[in-house]
Amino acid sequence: GAGVSQSPSNKVTEKGKDVELRCDPISGHTALYWYRQSLGQGLEFLIYFQGNSAPDKSGLPSDRFSAERTGGSVSTLTIQRTQQEDSAVYLCASSGPGQGLAGELFFGEGSRLTVL
Amino acid sequence: KQEVTQIPAALSVPEGENLVLNCSFTDSAIYNLQWFRQDPGKGLTSLLLIQSSQREQTSGRLNASLDKSSGRSTLYIAASQPGDSATYLCAGMDSSYKLIFGSGTRLLVRP
Repeated sequence: GAGVSQSPSNKVTEKGKDVELRCDPISGHTALYWYRQSLGQGLEFLIYFQGNSAPDKSGLPSDRFSAERTGGSVSTLTIQRTQQEDSAVYLCASSGPGQGLAGELFFGEGSRLTVL
Repeated sequence: KQEVTQIPAALSVPEGENLVLNCSFTDSAIYNLQWFRQDPGKGLTSLLLIQSSQREQTSGRLNASLDKSSGRSTLYIAASQPGDSATYLCAGMDSSYKLIFGSGTRLLVRP
């Protein structure tokens, strides 16, 4: 696609439910990132995938958070047993192979999660 | 641990003014520095990317500089317009290829 696509754009869920957020990166991009932006807060790194390497999960806030990237393309961020503090905008970004590992990141529009 | 700070947190200027947004980082070992724009309720739009070997980048009315030795970057906006109103974020890429973000500068350009 032309840009990074994220779905759903908005998700309202009840506390304790599981949610899945999807990211479709720019075609051919080898790097994929997930960030979280809470109300009034800065962007918080969650997880980074680069090609076939093991992902950098150092930003995941708890074991309720996990992410997969299938076939080196689409990624799913899963939050289990959601809590109210998980309410935030979850942003996905991808970066192309032509710029080496330190390339320009392109972000999607985000998935806004509200946990009631 | 890399920390990125942006000053000022908010800025209001009349249309037509030239302005400078500041970004500082604690660890000079960055691979690159990227400036983004974020409109309310939207994602981030990449404005400029400066690789660690570069000193500045320009795009239209925007010019970004990077001084690794002092841990500073600036974003210069010439002849500001109301459409420039947004939050501007800078981010440095650390040694693990993660972007570390500042808290942003909220810019309002008054007609």
